[in-house]
Amino acid sequence: DGGITQSPKYLFRKEGQNVTLSCEQNLNHDAMYWYRQDPGQGLRLIYYSQIVNDFQKGDIAEGYSVSREKKESFPLTVTSAQKNPTAFYLCASSMAGTEETQYFGPGTRLLVL
Amino acid sequence: EDKVVQSPLSLVVHEGDTVTLNCSYEVTNFRSLLWYKQEKKAPTFLFMLTSSGIEKKSGRLSSILDKKELFSILNITATQTGDSAVYLCAVEVLSGTYKYIFGTGTRLKVLA
Repeated sequence: DGGITQSPKYLFRKEGQNVTLSCEQNLNHDAMYWYRQDPGQGLRLIYYSQIVNDFQKGDIAEGYSVSREKKESFPLTVTSAQKNPTAFYLCASSMAGTEETQYFGPGTRLLVL
Repeated sequence: EDKVVQSPLSLVVHEGDTVTLNCSYEVTNFRSLLWYKQEKKAPTFLFMLTSSGIEKKSGRLSSILDKKELFSILNITATQTGDSAVYLCAVEVLSGTYKYIFGTGTRLKVLA
């Protein structure tokens, strides 16, 4: 089946710990995105990438880092510098520069212990 | 600064009612406007609008874009409890590269 997968479904982070959220797609999409959603809020863009080995900061990149070594994969690391990481994280992908829409993964809920 | 504003923030209706959700935007380099439905997890795609005045329709849902006045509406007729969700509007912009700007969403609750 084609689609976007995210893992884990739930993730617990201790104070001062870095954690990495996985996002993989087999849709052959060029562009991938990470969003954060807080309760009752819309989606805010953290990072996005249009091609391999290149990515741009979104509106709330501080305390996060990404890599794009492969077209299929766009992992997000929540670093210890992110002081309020509890949120629902959504990964998405799209075919850049076309009229195709953006498709979302199932999300990862991150909780701080 | 690019922004997308949705209204109302929340709405409670009874089954059978018709609802209209609004999305206005101020962006540079508009490419498209998208509507999503979010129930518990990932948003699911409803419509993409790129041309002004053309209505997109799927069953009881329809949407139209006004590029002159910079807004879109999502209409749901004969609402059902299964329509209860958060409806998200997003605008795709070209800002060096392509990206999407989301509104805060409208939370719709349909009562039986």
